[in-house]
Amino acid sequence: DAGVIQSPRHEVTEMGQEVTLRCKPISGHNSLFWYRQTMMRGLELLIYFNNNVPIDDSGMPEDRFSAKMPNASFSTLKIQPSEPRDSAVYFCASSRTGEYTGELFFGEGSRLTVL
Amino acid sequence: AQSVSQHNHHVILSEAASLELGCNYSYGGTVNLFWYVQYPGQHLQLLLKYFSGDPLVKGIKGFEAEFIKSKFSFNLRKPSVQWSDTAEYFCAVISMFSGGYNKLIFGAGTRLAVHP
Repeated sequence: DAGVIQSPRHEVTEMGQEVTLRCKPISGHNSLFWYRQTMMRGLELLIYFNNNVPIDDSGMPEDRFSAKMPNASFSTLKIQPSEPRDSAVYFCASSRTGEYTGELFFGEGSRLTVL
Repeated sequence: AQSVSQHNHHVILSEAASLELGCNYSYGGTVNLFWYVQYPGQHLQLLLKYFSGDPLVKGIKGFEAEFIKSKFSFNLRKPSVQWSDTAEYFCAVISMFSGGYNKLIFGAGTRLAVHP
């Protein structure tokens, strides 16, 4: 079975541009998470979806960040406008249906550099 | 608020040395505990997990961890490390309080460098 698939793997953009990161969770998983990893802050949970519905978006830094999950097999994280401090690796993770146990399956990550 | 503390941010060992990485958490109720590993340039992968039962759990690649409830600890161990164990290790905890959404909390991570 394929793992969590993220695209793009690397993105370099200029400040002010819109960035869209994509994620396809593992088939059959109904929980999806977006994390951001930086040297300074480590792993931060940005948003959590369950059955395509955002459950916890308290980690979304500010209004420039938005996330959607239009169906069970696809999610996007958008940054508009992007800023240099948004440079990080963004991970998508999914977990199985049923009780949320904390066992996550991570994608390869999208490394974002904002110049 | 719940928190996870990893005592060492950087650990440097020689091959064949023994490893112990500390992890303490703050939540007092029922918890699920995890160690995730991130090899250089890769994504996080589950190394081992504890849900219930035997507090000594064994994971992949010869790693094990011991859950000590009285100490709120879940330390990771390996008797003899290899160069390929060079990675960052994250302890993570989730409370199993029923009736609501519970967040998986990650520690800050420990970077392990193993020298040949």
